[in-house]
Amino acid sequence: AQSVTQPDIHITVSEGASLELRCNYSYGATPYLFWYVQSPGQGLQLLLKYFSGDTLVQGIKGFEAEFKRSQSSFNLRKPSVHWSDAAEYFCAVAPSGSARQLTFGSGTQLTVLP
Amino acid sequence: EPEVTQTPSHQVTQMGQEVILRCVPISNHLYFYWYRQILGQKVEFLVSFYNNEISEKSEIFDDQFSVERPDGSNFTLKIRSTKLEDSAMYFCASMVAGAYNEQFFGPGTRLTVL
Repeated sequence: AQSVTQPDIHITVSEGASLELRCNYSYGATPYLFWYVQSPGQGLQLLLKYFSGDTLVQGIKGFEAEFKRSQSSFNLRKPSVHWSDAAEYFCAVAPSGSARQLTFGSGTQLTVLP
Repeated sequence: EPEVTQTPSHQVTQMGQEVILRCVPISNHLYFYWYRQILGQKVEFLVSFYNNEISEKSEIFDDQFSVERPDGSNFTLKIRSTKLEDSAMYFCASMVAGAYNEQFFGPGTRLTVL
């Protein structure tokens, strides 16, 4: 069965610093890959997605992620974090061919210091 | 921008009672989903629905759960006899047809079973 691992439960960065959130997946084939963000009291908002092609994908709010097949990773990055980026971030995978059942990681809580 | 809406935002019920959680997916979407997130845990897939029938369901989605699209706009999740362990945030999601698409999530309904 597919699984998603986000090894960092909680990350704290200073505003303006760079950010990288890790995501590793276990899956038989290359799945579809997603990053969602959840702010307190809010639903899940899609930041970016990877289906195929260019392994560096750009998303909203200045986020990007890189798919590395050899490492089964899809890490999320942002060069300069803003205080409004404080939220919980979820990596998710779905079987390729159709973005149906999503399997989520356990999430990484991001705290941004002023 | 179109969005998925869910009502109520918070539902409190007594153990053993039936609850219906309601969702209005984005109007041109054809695939519908329910997920849940128990406090402090991962977001978990419950069920997917397409063409007026369940297309996939998880082992969580047992006989006490049912889904329905009663009127072409609403998508409901019914829990027949709630248990304490059903307390969670329930998210509805929808997706347009086609392979390279993502699921759009609603803000969630927090269900508290006493």
